[in-house]
Amino acid sequence: SAVISQKPSRDICQRGTSLTIQCQVDSQVTMMFWYRQQPGQSLTLIATANQGSEATYESGFVIDKFPISRPNLTFSTLTVSNMSPEDSSIYLCSVAPPGRGSYEQYFGPGTRLTVT
Amino acid sequence: QKEVEQNSGPLSVPEGAIASLNCTYSDRGSQSFFWYRQYSGKSPELIMSIYSNGDKEDGRFTAQLNKASQYVSLLIRDSQPSDSATYLCAVTPLKTSYDKVIFGPGTSLSVIP
Repeated sequence: SAVISQKPSRDICQRGTSLTIQCQVDSQVTMMFWYRQQPGQSLTLIATANQGSEATYESGFVIDKFPISRPNLTFSTLTVSNMSPEDSSIYLCSVAPPGRGSYEQYFGPGTRLTVT
Repeated sequence: QKEVEQNSGPLSVPEGAIASLNCTYSDRGSQSFFWYRQYSGKSPELIMSIYSNGDKEDGRFTAQLNKASQYVSLLIRDSQPSDSATYLCAVTPLKTSYDKVIFGPGTSLSVIP
């Protein structure tokens, strides 16, 4: 499976500020995904990031709040903008490497965000 | 009806027993099914994938799929305390046009020594 790293691993941020989370993969992948996992909850897909095109956002998530970049096939960023305490969560990126079974996704270690 | 449903648990089994985790899904056209294991404070780890009806075995894990009943299960034989984790069922619904996976709420498993 792909080796995925995320930065930062955790952060404590003030209300109204923004945080950019980086996701790096050790191989080229077409699809990268950003999820949110709130305390005690399952994973919720925020958006799918394809290289060279606009990210596709899920219902309830908008580009102004969660802008995503995908400059190449190994890297993506997710920004959480104008943060509020409700944004406190774990943010996870995942990839679906080519050559694996259809839709198999592998996750990075996550970024634990606390907004005060 | 939620797209993917699981019993939230916690499910407690004694060490050495068989743990049975269940999942149902709403989209009859779903094609791909996955089980992820998530330890507390860690990210999900893919442990099983299954694409056709029947059983698929991998070590102590067996995934079972019944598309007619829209049901997928995970059996863990000879359960160990290290199997204590939350198990997430995930499904790819037919209606999506890209590699989207829908996760269930997860079942917490506790294996008692």
